[in-house]
Formats: sequence, structure tokens, C-alpha cells
Amino acid sequence: QSVLTQPPSLSGAPGQRVTISCTGSRSNLGAGYDVHWYQQVPGTAPKLLIYGDTIRPSGVPDRFSGSKSGTSASLAITGLQAEDEADYYCQSYDSSLINYVFGGGTRVTVL
Amino acid sequence: QVQLQESGPGLVRPSETLSLTCSVSGGSISSYYWTWIRQTPDKGLEWIGYIYSNGNTDSNPSLKSRVALSVDTSKSHFSLRLTSVTAADTAIYYCARMLLSRTNRYFDLWGRGALVTVSS
Repeated sequence: QSVLTQPPSLSGAPGQRVTISCTGSRSNLGAGYDVHWYQQVPGTAPKLLIYGDTIRPSGVPDRFSGSKSGTSASLAITGLQAEDEADYYCQSYDSSLINYVFGGGTRVTVL
Repeated sequence: QVQLQESGPGLVRPSETLSLTCSVSGGSISSYYWTWIRQTPDKGLEWIGYIYSNGNTDSNPSLKSRVALSVDTSKSHFSLRLTSVTAADTAIYYCARMLLSRTNRYFDLWGRGALVTVSS
């Protein structure tokens, strides 16, 4: 049971928009801690996708966007492409656990 | 560009100590936080601990009693030791660089990962 809750899987057709939710609590997202997102293609290391809720590192396509409100955050992928097929993880800090915490991951499948 | 590479034994006996090193190339190890994260199918991604280039450390409370972190800036590498391992410590271990956002830290660069299996 992860501290941050994500749907296990989502799918979409090429060109569609998919949104991945990340639900926390008052001791992490609700306390104002930033959420960060990572993309992991199976067999490779995670790659930073979004940090500070909404900021894309250099080189990340603007098809990826992040948002946060209260105890929840979202990662949106617009114009879904075959190369976006991967696992996506949210991450933040939890003040009760005194720990950096991850979501359980969402597998995105491109139909 | 900065690259990280984990190295160490892929097989560790139960009750022994897991030791991994992360080599940093293409950039300075100084003035950054460096961290270890592991991944298993059951528990997903789990933060283990971090070390600053001056040697300050912090670690996951659930692992704190078994974790030791060190850094050698002259060799541009940092290391993890995890004592008294069990099968539950079998995982892919990643080293990563840790940066500060407005309110907490995130991991901007990752190594490729090292699979460590605990088995007799």
C-alpha cells in the first residue's frame, strides 16, 4: 500500500489525452509539499518528467503537464504517442513518515 | 553530461552486508545531495537515504538502523552499505542525484540500476 495512490493502469489511443491521478493526504501533498513525476520504460531507470508540481526539465516534451490541488495531483499527457507507453510514478515528501514517498505507479498503454 | 553508474556484487548471502558504489562522471560530486533508491515488484520504489558531499546523511526511518552511507569526493563516488540483509532486500538499487524544489527534494539524474539478489 503506497502512501501516494495512483491508478494501476490507463490506456488511450494515439493522439488522445490521458490523465494520471496521484492522491495523498494532509501529511504530504495536503501539507503543501511539491509533487514530482517520473517516467519509467520497462527495463530502464526512472526519468524525471515533472518537478515542483508543474515544471518540465529541459528536453521533456510539452505534451506532459502537471498540476496539483489540495491532497491530489495529476499528470496529463496530451497527443499520446507510442513512445509514451511506460510506467509513471509520482513522488513527494511525507512529514509524518519523515520520508520521501512514491506512488505505486501507473502503467500507460497506447492502444 | 553527468552520468551515474552503480557497481557491486549481484548476489549477497542472508545476514551479510550489501555494498554498492555509485560512480559520478561528467560533472562534480561536490555541493550536491546523492541518494539511493530501490525498486521491487511488491513494494515499488523506496527511498533508502541520501548523503551530501560534505558527508551529512539522512535515511529512511524503516532502514536507518541498517544503512550506512559514505562519500569519497576525491574518487567522485559515494557508497551504500546495508547490513543484515534478508530476501526482502532483493531489489534493483538505483543511485541518483537529489535536487531541491520549493518544498522538498526530487531525483533528477539516475543510474541504470544494479540488481542485488539476497540468497544462500
